[in-house]
Amino acid sequence: DTAVSQTPKYLVTQMGNDKSIKCEQNLGHDTMYWYKQDSKKFLKIMFSYNNKELIINETVPNRFSPKSPDKAHLNLHINSLELGDSAVYFCASSQEVGQGLNYGYTFGSGTRLTVV
Amino acid sequence: KQEVTQIPAALSVPEGENLVLNCSFTDSAIYNLQWFRQDPGKGLTSLLLIQSSQREQTSGRLNASLDKSSGRSTLYIAASQPGDSATYLCAVPQGGSEKLVFGKGTKLTVNP
Repeated sequence: DTAVSQTPKYLVTQMGNDKSIKCEQNLGHDTMYWYKQDSKKFLKIMFSYNNKELIINETVPNRFSPKSPDKAHLNLHINSLELGDSAVYFCASSQEVGQGLNYGYTFGSGTRLTVV
Repeated sequence: KQEVTQIPAALSVPEGENLVLNCSFTDSAIYNLQWFRQDPGKGLTSLLLIQSSQREQTSGRLNASLDKSSGRSTLYIAASQPGDSATYLCAVPQGGSEKLVFGKGTKLTVNP
């Protein structure tokens, strides 16, 4: 049973297209995230949602729009894709247990997006 | 702003060696620290989570220590095996937020 699952695993698309990546977690966690891993393998947070509410929004172009229909799902929609959007996008989740403590983060297996 | 540094960037060792990976962070006000493993083309697998009140955690051949006051953590791998070859990432939350800040990783190669 996959804890954090992302679809699709691979996505190849042309510049200018609009695409979505879906994420679901079955851990009952309250908080979900999107991270981007660039060509240099550096991981950076993009967004965070807690119980469907946006709590972290890094400096990300507004072509990227996260949507959380419920606390188990966090989707990422990208408009007008550009070559520089090519990266691996990771979904993650965590559960805070009070006073900032959590049980750590669980990551999905990633979506490799290639814009041509 | 939290910054995480991992040294070395790459490490190649013969099978059977014990080794230490280092992680340092600039803001010691952390709630926890997590070590991950990433295999090529794959996702992140959580290895060990150390809460701020703990000094170390162990899982099998892995032992992670945390010294909050000096802003350092080490991941000790005993009796390394070729299957340990991967990139090891250290991550801490930034400030009081849920935002996880990663180091750039240590790429480990264990040669048979």
